[in-house]
Amino acid sequence: DQQVKQNSPSLSVQEGRISILNCDYTNSMFDYFLWYKKYPAEGPTFLISISSIKDKNEDGRFTVFLNKSAKHLSLHIVPSQPGDSAVYFCAASVGGGYQKVTFGTGTKLQVIP
Amino acid sequence: KAGVTQTPRYLIKTRGQQVTLSCSPISGHRSVSWYQQTPGQGLQFLFEYFSETQRNKGNFPGRFSGRQFSNSRSEMNVSTLELGDSALYLCASRREEGSPLHFGNGTRLTVT
Repeated sequence: DQQVKQNSPSLSVQEGRISILNCDYTNSMFDYFLWYKKYPAEGPTFLISISSIKDKNEDGRFTVFLNKSAKHLSLHIVPSQPGDSAVYFCAASVGGGYQKVTFGTGTKLQVIP
Repeated sequence: KAGVTQTPRYLIKTRGQQVTLSCSPISGHRSVSWYQQTPGQGLQFLFEYFSETQRNKGNFPGRFSGRQFSNSRSEMNVSTLELGDSALYLCASRREEGSPLHFGNGTRLTVT
């Protein structure tokens, strides 16, 4: 049962344009969401997070939007750069404490120079 | 500050054997989690340890086990290896409750 879904396995975007990565979840108890970026032969690195009390969080070129009613979140990268080419994982957890973090299957982003 | 260190980076084992993977968390991090990554499956949660106690466990068979030592270092053991256990095994640590996970570069296990 995949509780966090990333339905697009891959995405190609021109350099300088906006990249939009999408994520859907089924567990309505999730209240903390994160995005990770992964380069080949490296572990995932934390990008940005959002709590369910917010609907938007911004950090430089990266913005995460949360739509709780639709159980959907998205990551916007503006402007996209070739160095952003990587696999992006959406993740979610329930409550605070040491709760397990559930990851999606990932979206491979390619930014074309 | 050193990151999460996993050893070895690569491992080749034969079906039926057992394997032990090691993880050293970031200094000061007392929580260690283990994940399995396979193509198309994303990161599947194995278990999480805090102060030598298993706090959470994923849906993996009992062949997968782990432990954490008093210095927060952790080991993961897989017994009676199957071909389907071939994967990238990732370890992550975090500083405190609710903080983001910091991942190591993983151990690539191949079972032949």
